[in-house]
Amino acid sequence: EVQLVESGGVVVQPGGSLRLSCAASGFTFDDYAMHWVRQAPGKGLEWVSLISRDGSSTHYADSVKGRFTISRDNSKNSLYLQMNSLRAEDTALYYCVKDISDRSGYYDGFDYWGQGTLVTVSS
Amino acid sequence: QSVLTQPPSASGTPGQRVTISCSGSSSNLGRNYVYWYQQVPGTVPKFLIYRNNQRPSGVPDRFSGSKSGTSASLAISGLRSEDEADYYCAAWDDSLSGWVFGGGTKLTVL
Repeated sequence: EVQLVESGGVVVQPGGSLRLSCAASGFTFDDYAMHWVRQAPGKGLEWVSLISRDGSSTHYADSVKGRFTISRDNSKNSLYLQMNSLRAEDTALYYCVKDISDRSGYYDGFDYWGQGTLVTVSS
Repeated sequence: QSVLTQPPSASGTPGQRVTISCSGSSSNLGRNYVYWYQQVPGTVPKFLIYRNNQRPSGVPDRFSGSKSGTSASLAISGLRSEDEADYYCAAWDDSLSGWVFGGGTKLTVL
């Protein structure tokens, strides 16, 4: 059974930093690209970032580019999101999400989602 | 303002067929697949349709997807009360080099 368990969400002041983690199990982690998707309270879904199977390729939403860094440790079946220069508009539930495809260099949407970890940016 | 445009709301009565639209542009729906997700309030999004019209195992055939040009739609037939949820479309955008979502459509079963 695929399981994605996020952690690291807390209340942080504007301008602060935070690192989210996602522990993956139930599938061959290094066969799949991974994503972070967020959802602000009462709002819709927003894709944040993706990382390729081997970590060599990353993509970011314009809203977080230059402030967030996605990474992975395939030896630990873990995904990370380093968040710097946090703003009030980054307040959201952050989901760790698995890509559908196991083809190298090909991204095919999202199948399994974690329960999310809540990040609140407030003074 | 979302890159993909969905109506904010839709409704239907039990047993009815409803459709939800998703409009994009040449850089997203015009060149790439559309995906659909269902989110019952307070729960995690659920994978509903991939590659325009493919259903993952476990998704009832009451749900179907289609795409033509820069528009896509999700159809739900034999509407049930448990279908009441928010529905989101998504696609890869070549210009943005990232994934984009629609703003979501809240489906109410009357």
